[in-house]
Order: sequence, then structure tokens, then C-alpha cells
Amino acid sequence: KAGVTQTPRYLIKTRGQQVTLSCSPISGHRSVSWYQQTPGQGLQFLFEYFSETQRNKGNFPGRFSGRQFSNSRSEMNVSTLELGDSALYLCASSAGQGTGEKLFFGSGTQLSVL
Amino acid sequence: SQKIEQNSEALNIQEGKTATLTCNYTNYSPAYLQWYRQDPGRGPVFLLLIRENEKEKRKERLKVTFDTTLKQSLFHITASQPADSATYLCALDLSGTASKLTFGTGTRLQVTL
Repeated sequence: KAGVTQTPRYLIKTRGQQVTLSCSPISGHRSVSWYQQTPGQGLQFLFEYFSETQRNKGNFPGRFSGRQFSNSRSEMNVSTLELGDSALYLCASSAGQGTGEKLFFGSGTQLSVL
Repeated sequence: SQKIEQNSEALNIQEGKTATLTCNYTNYSPAYLQWYRQDPGRGPVFLLLIRENEKEKRKERLKVTFDTTLKQSLFHITASQPADSATYLCALDLSGTASKLTFGTGTRLQVTL
């Protein structure tokens, strides 16, 4: 099975712009979650989608949004970029059927905001 | 609020020795705890999961213990190798759904010859 695929791998944007990141989960997985990783804050949960519905949300401003398509692929959007949004954005997939499931992470999108 | 602490300093050990990493948490009683490995520029990779009713879990050279009284998990790598050098993250599920994991900041392990 192919792993979790994230595109693009690297992105450079300027303040005020918006960005869309893409994630293709492992085939058959219906849950996709997004995390932000920075050296200072570590891995922080953004949100999770299951069957096209947002099921969980972290403590991030409304500038961060996401969606999931019927094929379970997910996109994450950040509007009005700020310098502090520079981070590695990771998505993870799982079957989403219950607790105790392991997450499968992609390699991430490294976003730099100048 | 929930806090998860891992050794903030990097851990340097010699090849062949046992590495022991610590994960402490407060204000919560998790049903299970997970450990992940992360290499630079890559996403975390799942290693082990241990449930609250399990004292110890093993997988090859890896061993995890879970003490719910001390609110602590220990992660051991025996006969460590340079290829084990990476950052190791512990994670708790605070939401009841597997996808919303709260991660510790990780411990960077360096295994030298």
C-alpha cells in the first residue's frame, strides 16, 4: 500500500498570502488529521476529518481551515499568512474506527512565510 | 491543562548500550499511550502502543512500560545502534478519538560508535 502523500514538499510564501496544502491518505483510511510542528511548540493538533466531516478541532484561529473530499483526500488552507505560521505541516491518516489506532504520517509540507 | 514532558535534553549513548527515554504526564488518566520515532524532515512513525492495563510491551529491541500511578512511561532501546538515532515522541489520546493525539516535545537520541 502506498503511504500518506503530502504535496507540495516545500512552500515559500509572503505575509498576507494564503496557501493550500494537500494530503492523500492510505487507501481505505477515512480519517485524516493535520498537525503543525514547530521547534518551539512541537506537534500541535489542528483538526481531523472523517467521512468529509470535521470531527475534532484544535486551538488554532479561523485562518486555518480544512476539508475532506469523498475519496478521503484532504486539503488544509491557511489564509492571511503570518510569520509565525512557518512550520512543518503534517497530515496523518487512520481507519478512524475507534481508539487505540496508530496514525500514519506523511513527510509533511515545510512552509516558510517571509 | 494536560502536560506531557519528555527529557528536554538530547540523550547521547554509546552503541550497544540501553537507551531509556522518559515520558511524564499530568492531570489525566489516559487509556493508552503511544510512542513514535521521527527522523529529520520526516513525519513521525508509530512504534508501540501500551494500554493502561498493560505494565510492559515489547517489540524486538524496544520495550515500553506504563505506570499509571506515577503517570509515567519509559521507553527502552536495548543494544542501541547508530541507526536508532532520531527523535522519539510520546503521545496521549485526550479526546477519545485516536486522531487527536497530544504529543510530548520529544527526546533526541544520538547513538555513537
